[in-house]
Amino acid sequence: DVKVTQSSRYLVKRTGEKVFLECVQDMDHENMFWYRQDPGLGLRLIYFSYDVKMKEKGDIPEGYSVSREKKERFSLILESASTNQTSMYLCASSRPSMGGYTFGSGTRLTVV
Amino acid sequence: DQQVKQNSPSLSVQEGRISILNCDYTNSMFDYFLWYKKYPAEGPTFLISISSIKDKNEDGRFTVFLNKSAKHLSLHIVPSQPGDSAVYFCAASAGNQGGKLIFGQGTELSVKP
Repeated sequence: DVKVTQSSRYLVKRTGEKVFLECVQDMDHENMFWYRQDPGLGLRLIYFSYDVKMKEKGDIPEGYSVSREKKERFSLILESASTNQTSMYLCASSRPSMGGYTFGSGTRLTVV
Repeated sequence: DQQVKQNSPSLSVQEGRISILNCDYTNSMFDYFLWYKKYPAEGPTFLISISSIKDKNEDGRFTVFLNKSAKHLSLHIVPSQPGDSAVYFCAASAGNQGGKLIFGQGTELSVKP
């Protein structure tokens, strides 16, 4: 069963901590994406990547960075966590020819 | 600038009746549209899609309608079932954007027995 796996379902971190959210896909997809979901705002794109070692800013990249050293793995990094980064984080992957994504189960991050 | 809008945050429907979820978009370059369903604490799952060359696509109880002139699409669920209760996201992409999806705010559907 093909899938996108996010390493943690729930995380609680302190303000100022450096936080790593990991995402791995086993479908050999070229494209990978990080979104955050907030009530009333829907899914907003943070960063995406079309290939290894390449990254593009999405609509809300401030306070985040990403790393894609291997095709199957796309990491989201919160350099210094803040309370306004408390959210549900969703990773997704796709092929360039695909019209849609496969999503992971999400990581609910709480910053205290 | 919200390019994809779902103006109804919530919708309540009786079991067996039709659910209609609406979505508007502003970018005329969008050529592919999708609906995703999301349960709490889970990732969104793909439901149905439509290309801009069509105006209707049907899959079982789910039908998506696209009105390009109005930049509007809708998802019809007939008949609605309690298991359909979830948040539904509309999404759109443009062929020249490498598959990047722009999502709406979501509509929470509640189907009451």
